[in-house]
Amino acid sequence: GNSVTQMEGPVTLSEEAFLTINCTYTATGYPSLFWYVQYPGEGLQLLLKATKADDKGSNKGFEATYRKETTSFHLEKGSVQVSDSAVYFCALSGGETSGSRLTFGEGTQLTVNP
Amino acid sequence: KAGVTQTPRYLIKTRGQQVTLSCSPISGHRSVSWYQQTPGQGLQFLFEYFSETQRNKGNFPGRFSGRQFSNSRSEMNVSTLELGDSALYLCASSPRTGGGNTIYFGEGSWLTVV
Repeated sequence: GNSVTQMEGPVTLSEEAFLTINCTYTATGYPSLFWYVQYPGEGLQLLLKATKADDKGSNKGFEATYRKETTSFHLEKGSVQVSDSAVYFCALSGGETSGSRLTFGEGTQLTVNP
Repeated sequence: KAGVTQTPRYLIKTRGQQVTLSCSPISGHRSVSWYQQTPGQGLQFLFEYFSETQRNKGNFPGRFSGRQFSNSRSEMNVSTLELGDSALYLCASSPRTGGGNTIYFGEGSWLTVV
């Protein structure tokens, strides 16, 4: 079945550092891929998405490219800010599951220090 | 445009009781999904409703049930509460069902079972 694997956290960076959070997936067919962010005490916010191979999703300085050959969707940001501190979830829909069901990774806690 | 609204935000219940959580999707959205978030299990899919019909169901016992009304609003019910049901319950909506749809989450309902 569908599965998503994220790099283990937590990740601690200094402000303005480069961020990469790795995400790989297992799914048949052509799933859609998402990154969600969760701030303390809140729900999930969609950060970006990509629906087909080689698509690049981007938002608020974050980017991720749908790489079918490596089944990956790594999240990157060139210069993180303290306000980026949150938990980041990689997710997919489609593949072997019907409907809008999302399969999530474990989440990666990011802390950015000033 | 109002986002996904969940009520109540916080509640405390006693083991053995039942609870009903409510979700109002974004206007025009016809698909509503529910997820359970716990520190140990992460984000797990409960079920999805589209046009008042359950489209998908996750691997949860029959104590967990849901329904959707003609105005797309949804409720989920948990009967005979157990301590392990303590979690953040997230509702999500999307315009249609199917992979690739952008899925928007509410702030969640925090359930504590004592």
